[in-house]
Amino acid sequence: DAGITQSPRHKVTETGTPVTLRCHQTENHRYMYWYRQDPGHGLRLIHYSYGVKDTDKGEVSDGYSVSRSKTEDFLLTLESATSSQTSVYFCAIKARGNAEAFFGQGTRLTVV
Amino acid sequence: EDQVTQSPEALRLQEGESSSLNCSYTVSGLRGLFWYRQDPGKGPEFLFTLYSAGEEKEKERLKATLTKKESFLHITAPKPEDSATYLCAVQARGGSQGNLIFGKGTKLSVKP
Repeated sequence: DAGITQSPRHKVTETGTPVTLRCHQTENHRYMYWYRQDPGHGLRLIHYSYGVKDTDKGEVSDGYSVSRSKTEDFLLTLESATSSQTSVYFCAIKARGNAEAFFGQGTRLTVV
Repeated sequence: EDQVTQSPEALRLQEGESSSLNCSYTVSGLRGLFWYRQDPGKGPEFLFTLYSAGEEKEKERLKATLTKKESFLHITAPKPEDSATYLCAVQARGGSQGNLIFGKGTKLSVKP
């Protein structure tokens, strides 16, 4: 395994509530990413980080925010969860200069 | 617009029956093409990176090749344990920091 831990692994929440997903790495990699995976779609980038406090938006960032206060942690927050955010969320990490990214085991989020 | 298309969506093989999976891409300058394997309920597992047309990479029963428009993942004499969804992704030059654009995947089933 690539030293990535996502928590929680499963979560059910109600519409309108805030939710925070955590990605923790032990590899000291510079780059961290949040993707979502939905049936009929490939993995789509939500937000990414290229260093502590350096973040940027991806393809499907609306309704999500992120924070990275430490190299090892990248948090994804759904400010007010909606049913369209029901998905499986994957965190990925990549070392500077390396091409390949390594993925965590995912968090299955259900918004009811 | 950068795009990745994988075919077929699903492939059923008998054990030992060799075949190929296709990944066609449109990208404004290819930095790298990636193959991942994903088992149900798990995160994508990195397999290969290809950088330029003509390049080939091998790992056990898998061989990945790259042309200027597509990549193939050849599976020789597959075994049931090769059953998984195979994902193709590209990274474009000048794109977001390491951002990957994924296809929707090919679900491979190998029957004994």
